Amino acid sequence: SQQGEEDPQALSIQEGENATMNCSYKTSINNLQWYRQNSGRGLVHLILIRSNEREKHSGRLRVTLDTSKKSSSLLITASRAADTASYFCATDALGAGNMLTFGGGTRLMVKP
Amino acid sequence: ETGVTQSPTHLIKTRGQQVTLRCSSQSGHNTVSWYQQALGQGPQFIFQYYREEENGRGNFPPRFSGLQFPNYSSELNVNALELDDSALYLCASSLPGGSGNEQFFGPGTRLTVL
Repeated sequence: SQQGEEDPQALSIQEGENATMNCSYKTSINNLQWYRQNSGRGLVHLILIRSNEREKHSGRLRVTLDTSKKSSSLLITASRAADTASYFCATDALGAGNMLTFGGGTRLMVKP
Repeated sequence: ETGVTQSPTHLIKTRGQQVTLRCSSQSGHNTVSWYQQALGQGPQFIFQYYREEENGRGNFPPRFSGLQFPNYSSELNVNALELDDSALYLCASSLPGGSGNEQFFGPGTRLTVL
């Protein structure tokens, strides 16, 4: 079963626009991570936010975490065609020992 | 490139057969996790190995089994293959220390069961 639910399931935007993806989860967590996957290949780690953090930035990425609502968002600013990929949130639940539970993903298409 | 390698890249099997997938972890990583990703879905945790012992298991039947070797490389074995086992199988390695360490994923093995 999947703990997280991403919203939207698919997103199509123009290059230069911002893309926002949301993730909801069910149990208490140690941290939440965002991954990117190109065309069914391996996952690339983007950013990790711990349960005691509310916001984190990495380059054009901004992640927020609201543990009271059990939700997170990933914002990609000034998107590029190369950002086209699937994006997954993954939770490391309390007591789970770094065993990640992934959501279903958001498929982002950035049109040039 | 993460330094995690998997073999083979692609594999075609028939129902009832057995398959072994291999993973070499990144240097210094003693924890390896395996995930199954069906088409159009997120990865699902199969199991994790730490220092050659199974350290946790997801909701997968016993016909999914694994091994970890002294050099921390790992194998995933699936017996009595079913059509629904068709998926991308991903392994990920991480540093010692447990929760909160970034997991480094390999490129995956795509298994097709006919």
